[in-house]
Amino acid sequence: GQSLEQPSEVTAVEGAIVQINCTYQTSGFYGLSWYQQHDGGAPTFLSYNALDGLEETGRFSSFLSRSDSYGYLLLQELQMKDSASYFCAVRTLKAAGNKLTFGGGTRVLVKP
Amino acid sequence: DTEVTQTPKHLVMGMTNKKSLKCEQHMGHRAMYWYKQKAKKPPELMFVYSYEKLSINESVPSRFSPECPNSSLLNLHLHALQPEDSALYLCASSQDTSGSSYEQYFGPGTRLTVT
Repeated sequence: GQSLEQPSEVTAVEGAIVQINCTYQTSGFYGLSWYQQHDGGAPTFLSYNALDGLEETGRFSSFLSRSDSYGYLLLQELQMKDSASYFCAVRTLKAAGNKLTFGGGTRVLVKP
Repeated sequence: DTEVTQTPKHLVMGMTNKKSLKCEQHMGHRAMYWYKQKAKKPPELMFVYSYEKLSINESVPSRFSPECPNSSLLNLHLHALQPEDSALYLCASSQDTSGSSYEQYFGPGTRLTVT
């Protein structure tokens, strides 16, 4: 099976930088995705890493180390609208197709 | 159009009722998914359809019955549910289930309450 660990909650002020770590144990690992979900909203895709290294998308960056089974999401220049839950999700690819298994989620609270 | 729509938004049903959840996308995606999400928990995969065929069933009880009538539509038929089935049911789609299709697009969900 799969297991993912990420912190349950992080609080920061506007303009700050937050790093959300994710460690995973899985078989058939293909990549690590990050999704954002506001309260009452749908998960929305943020970033994906299949290879080691850093992917940058605007204020958000994601990193993966396959050898360490570890990744992180970096949120820079935090804004109030970034208050949401952030999920890492491992992507496994089987004959039946790809599937996502989500971590427990990290609730980010941005304060003025 | 990068939207996945779901109806209804809210549903209250008794344990003896039969109801259906509907999901639609017009992005030409050939993979569609059903997830269940309990409050303050992550989404959990239930079913995957690839090219209108069921490819993954995550050992979901038979009281949940998925159906994919065509490449744009996905239904979830509900029968004899239990109160613990109350949750947000999310539909998602992706281009296909190949390795390059890593982004899933989620609908807003149907909030189901079983009484």
